Amino acid sequence: EAQVTQNPRYLITVTGKKLTVTCSQNMNHEYMSWYRQDPGLGLRQIYYSMNVEVTDKGDVPEGYKVSRKEKRNFPLILESPSPNQTSLYFCASSHTGADEQYFGPGTRLTVT
Amino acid sequence: GQSLEQPSEVTAVEGAIVQINCTYQTSGFYGLSWYQQHDGGAPTFLSYNALDGLEETGRFSSFLSRSDSYGYLLLQELQMKDSASYFCAVREPGTGRRALTFGSGTRLQVQP
Repeated sequence: EAQVTQNPRYLITVTGKKLTVTCSQNMNHEYMSWYRQDPGLGLRQIYYSMNVEVTDKGDVPEGYKVSRKEKRNFPLILESPSPNQTSLYFCASSHTGADEQYFGPGTRLTVT
Repeated sequence: GQSLEQPSEVTAVEGAIVQINCTYQTSGFYGLSWYQQHDGGAPTFLSYNALDGLEETGRFSSFLSRSDSYGYLLLQELQMKDSASYFCAVREPGTGRRALTFGSGTRLQVQP
């Protein structure tokens, strides 16, 4: 089954404790992306990657890191999480062009 | 970045037709996409307009007019399961850039 998986689905952590949210896709897509979703603000792109070792900033990259060492994986790293990073996070993938994206199930992160 | 505006809420009755508008302020973009998101779920791709005009997919149609900086999603024969949030999105132009910007979303409530 073609899918995008994210782990964990739910995470409660404390300020400053480094965390990683994993994202994996099995569709051989070149393009992968991370979004955060907050009430009233829609989906905002954090980072995206057009292929292995090629990443670029979206609209809200501050406080986040990403890496793309393998085509199927695109982890999101929060080196020192803060409460304003409490949000619902989605990973997505697509073939080049980003026009039809497939989204993962989401990760609900709470930073206290 | 881009600026996309959508109505925050729309209400319609089962069997009716509803139009969700998306206006944007940008100097250029590659095309307009639409996504659907049910409460608690992930966004799913509905349609993409690369060129001006109407694209039809079953009960859903999407329209784009670049000269008017305007697009819309048309949902016909509304069903209760169409109650969801709908987002428009544009891909930022520029050499090597594939950033994607979403509108803040329109919540559609379908009533019996």
